[in-house]
Amino acid sequence: AQTVTQSQPEMSVQEAETVTLSCTYDTSESDYYLFWYKQPPSRQMILVIRQEAYKQQNATENRFSVNFQKAAKSFSLKISDSQLGDAAMYFCAYRSANAGGTSYGKLTFGQGTILTVHP
Amino acid sequence: DSGVTQTPKHLITATGQRVTLRCSPRSGDLSVYWYQQSLDQGLQFLIQYYNGEERAKGNILERFSAQQFPDLHSELNLSSLELGDSALYFCASSKTGTLSSGANVLTFGAGSRLTVL
Repeated sequence: AQTVTQSQPEMSVQEAETVTLSCTYDTSESDYYLFWYKQPPSRQMILVIRQEAYKQQNATENRFSVNFQKAAKSFSLKISDSQLGDAAMYFCAYRSANAGGTSYGKLTFGQGTILTVHP
Repeated sequence: DSGVTQTPKHLITATGQRVTLRCSPRSGDLSVYWYQQSLDQGLQFLIQYYNGEERAKGNILERFSAQQFPDLHSELNLSSLELGDSALYFCASSKTGTLSSGANVLTFGAGSRLTVL
């Protein structure tokens, strides 16, 4: 079974600064997807960024980028120019791309990292 | 608005009771997923349906059941409720296809907060 580990329960950053959230995962599969979701105080789960494992190029979405290291099974999220609205719980998630597997489709989440942004 | 609709938003009930949570997926999404988020256990996958058929099962208790109807909406039934069932229950939906097309990405509803007293 796949597992996702976020080793930082809490992180903080000053407004306009850069912060990196860590995520590692364990899998025996070669084809999969990785995601970062954000959960603000409203508790809504919002997709931040996604990465396909077969792509070597790191995904970017405006101020959000990832550092995907497939061999190390690492998928960190970098938030540049942090804003007060970035304060939230961030979840790293794994999804198998093996359509024939029993775990296909579902997301496996890490425990989350609470990000605080200081003005 | 994510396009995934969950009702009710809040529900307070007593131990031993039964409740039904409802989810309408985004238009065109055939897959529906249910997740439970409690304070001490993070987001736990419960069950997945694809076009009316059960596709994958996670840590879903025997007291819980779900189904997806022909119009693709889904219901999660929770019975013999216990205090520990208090949690936020999320429904998510997705469509098949390539990631670059937006498929295989789970879109979540706002959740149903269940409080068992």
